[in-house]
Formats: sequence, structure tokens, C-alpha cells
Amino acid sequence: GAVVSQHPSRVICKSGTSVKIECRSLDFQATTMFWYRQFPKKSLMLMATSNEGSKATYEQGVEKDKFLINHASLTLSTLTVTSAHPEDSSFYICSAQGLAVNEQFFGPGTRLTVL
Amino acid sequence: GENVEQHPSTLSVQEGDSAVIKCTYSDSASNYFPWYKQELGKRPQLIIDIRSNVGEKKDQRIAVTLNKTAKHFSLHITETQPEDSAVYFCAASKGASGGSYIPTFGRGTSLIVHP
Repeated sequence: GAVVSQHPSRVICKSGTSVKIECRSLDFQATTMFWYRQFPKKSLMLMATSNEGSKATYEQGVEKDKFLINHASLTLSTLTVTSAHPEDSSFYICSAQGLAVNEQFFGPGTRLTVL
Repeated sequence: GENVEQHPSTLSVQEGDSAVIKCTYSDSASNYFPWYKQELGKRPQLIIDIRSNVGEKKDQRIAVTLNKTAKHFSLHITETQPEDSAVYFCAASKGASGGSYIPTFGRGTSLIVHP
């Protein structure tokens, strides 16, 4: 299957700082990318959907000014957690979807810990 | 919007037994139903999917059934092995604008296969 990478895999930051997470589709063009948040032993919670070149669509309850999403190209989307707080600590996973298929390919996830 | 219920939340079986995980969905327009397996600390991986024009699909020890009238679908794993131990997520989705499919995930089932 297609490959999606995510960087960094782990990040520890101080409260109040911003963290950027990158999601890349390595061998296909991703027209749509999704950002999920996952708490321990919990399901995948969709945060936002982004299409290349347009603004992301955020799910209800997700602050767009706190979780900035940019989908600048067909192979790259970024999630920036601004002014991070300890409650933002979580596992963030991206996924990418191509044109002809409705299968999602997931990235390996980023473990964010905010001290 | 779509609502996906998944049961059970935890399933413990002996090696060699069968395991069944059930999901229901609410939106009759949903037409694509993937199942994902997520091992601890890893990304979700698609293991099997079914579309609404098919009632059953099988791939070796894994099968999925779909009942559109009742709006439920199930994952069946036969001859379970310890390496089948993981969290399994069902999802339901339909085509959205721009050609993307946005799945709604169930809460997940933690499958434990005892050797």
C-alpha cells in the first residue's frame, strides 16, 4: 500500500510553545489529508479535513486558531499546535487519501507531551 | 451526522477460537465500510473493507458481512492467533464533496488472543 510519513514521531515541549507536525504522502498525491487525535485506549477523533490549496474543515469543538492546518501541496500537510498546554498532550495521527481510492493511509503518529 | 457503535469494547479468546466484532451505523447513505487493525503504539492498518453493493467479503481468516437493511456490519476472524491481538476499529463513510470519503470510526475493540 501507499506510504505516509509523519515527523516528528515524538516531541516534548514546554507549556506555551508551538509545535509543528508534518505529514507526507511519499508515493502518491494526497488530495485530502485528515488529522486525528487519539487518547490512550480510545478511538480516533477526527480533528480536521484538509484539501490541497484550500482551508481546512474543522470538526465541532476543535479550535482552528489553536490547531493550525496547512495543506500546501499534494504531498504535505502540517499541523501546528499553538501555545501548547499539558491537556494538548496526545497521540496525533494523520492520514492521506488519493484521488481514485477511498482508502485512507495512516501515518505512524506523533506522540506530543507538553510539560 | 453519522454515528457508529462498536461492540464489544474488549474481547478475550483462546488461540484457535473465532472472534466476532459488530458495528452499527445510522446514516443509510454510507456506502463504504473499512476495518482497521491498530497494534500498540502503531498506525491503524486497513485489513479488509466492504462496499454497500456486497453482502460479504472474505480474505483468508478474515471476513466481513454487511446488512444494509439493518445497518450493521461485522468482522469475523477465524482460527485466531496471538498476533491477531490488537485494537480493531470499524468505520462507515460515504462520498463527500471533492471526491473524498470521511469515515466515522467506532470506539474500537481490544482483541486479546491467549496462547
